[in-house]
Amino acid sequence: GDSVTQMEGPVTLSEEAFLTINCTYTATGYPSLFWYVQYPGEGLQLLLKATKADDKGSNKGFEATYRKETTSFHLEKGSVQVSDSAVYFCALSLTSGSRLTFGEGTQLTVNP
Amino acid sequence: DAGVTQSPTHLIKTRGQQVTLRCSPKSGHDTVSWYQQALGQGPQFIFQYYEEEERQRGNFPDRFSGHQFPNYSSELNVNALLLGDSALYLCASSGTSGSRWETQYFGPGTRLLVL
Repeated sequence: GDSVTQMEGPVTLSEEAFLTINCTYTATGYPSLFWYVQYPGEGLQLLLKATKADDKGSNKGFEATYRKETTSFHLEKGSVQVSDSAVYFCALSLTSGSRLTFGEGTQLTVNP
Repeated sequence: DAGVTQSPTHLIKTRGQQVTLRCSPKSGHDTVSWYQQALGQGPQFIFQYYEEEERQRGNFPDRFSGHQFPNYSSELNVNALLLGDSALYLCASSGTSGSRWETQYFGPGTRLLVL
């Protein structure tokens, strides 16, 4: 079945460090790919998305590129801030408006 | 413009009881999806409602049922609660516009504790 695998956490960085969170997927078709972020005690917020191969999603300094050849959608940010501390989820959706399949999440802590 | 709202925010039940969770979608959205998020895990899809019918269902037992009302709001019902049903229940809404894919927006969730 369809699945998403994220790098194991937690990840701890100092402020202004470079961030990479790896995400790979297995899907029977050509999925849309997403990164969602969950701050403590809150629901999920869409961070960015890409709907076809080679698309780059970006938002708030975060970027991820849809790589069909490596079935990956790694999240990057050049300089993290303390306010970026949260849990990050990679997810896929196979068809328009259909269910989201999530990875296990990666806890990010950024220290001042 | 109000986003997705859910009620209640927290709930404590005992094993064997029944629970109803409620969700109001974002304005302009007609599709509601429900997810279960156990502690430390990613959300798992329960089901999706569109035009008052269950459109898709995940791998959850029949104890989990739902409903969508004409105003697009939705309820999630869980019967015969088990300890393992303790989780954060997330509602997400999305719109449909022909074949164009619409982003799912999530509510803050209802945290259910089963004792």
